[in-house]
Amino acid sequence: EDKVVQSPLSLVVHEGDTVTLNCSYEVTNFRSLLWYKQEKKAPTFLFMLTSSGIEKKSGRLSSILDKKELFSILNITATQTGDSAVYLCAVRGGETSGSRLTFGEGTQLTVNP
Amino acid sequence: ETGVTQSPTHLIKTRGQQVTLRCSSQSGHNTVSWYQQALGQGPQFIFQYYREEENGRGNFPPRFSGLQFPNYSSELNVNALELDDSALYLCASSLGQASYYGYTFGSGTRLTVV
Repeated sequence: EDKVVQSPLSLVVHEGDTVTLNCSYEVTNFRSLLWYKQEKKAPTFLFMLTSSGIEKKSGRLSSILDKKELFSILNITATQTGDSAVYLCAVRGGETSGSRLTFGEGTQLTVNP
Repeated sequence: ETGVTQSPTHLIKTRGQQVTLRCSSQSGHNTVSWYQQALGQGPQFIFQYYREEENGRGNFPPRFSGLQFPNYSSELNVNALELDDSALYLCASSLGQASYYGYTFGSGTRLTVV
């Protein structure tokens, strides 16, 4: 059974701090790892990672995948109050598991002014 | 280009009743997946429809069923509601089943069973 574990589950920081969110996984026939930001309801897409060691970057957010050690990190630099949200990590396995996404519990990030 | 829309946004039902939730997929997307997100948890996969056929199912009982229509919109039906069915139900659409396509989520339907 595919499994995703995120840590920490909760994090409180001050504006301007840098945070690192962790995601480890076990999946049959790994295809991709995705990061989503969920503020109220709809998870919004951040990154999709398929190859090890290649950093993806979008503004202050960046993410990297290590397929040997089976984990990914999401970095947010110079945090702002608008970054407060639940960050979800999900993995997709191969054909035997369809195209379902297996999600972790999420990391609740709170950025205080 | 429209996103994924779900209806209704909120719903309160009584235990034992039946409910139908609806999802209109993003324009051009032919694959729809449904997820259940309990409070404080990550979304859990219910099932997926591709070109009107169910082609993947998570660990949910048969009282959770679905449909996909020719225009790729979808319904999730839940019979004999239980208190534990209270959750946010998310619909996600994508173009095709392969992992290199992104998944767009709707804002969900908050179902409360009393």
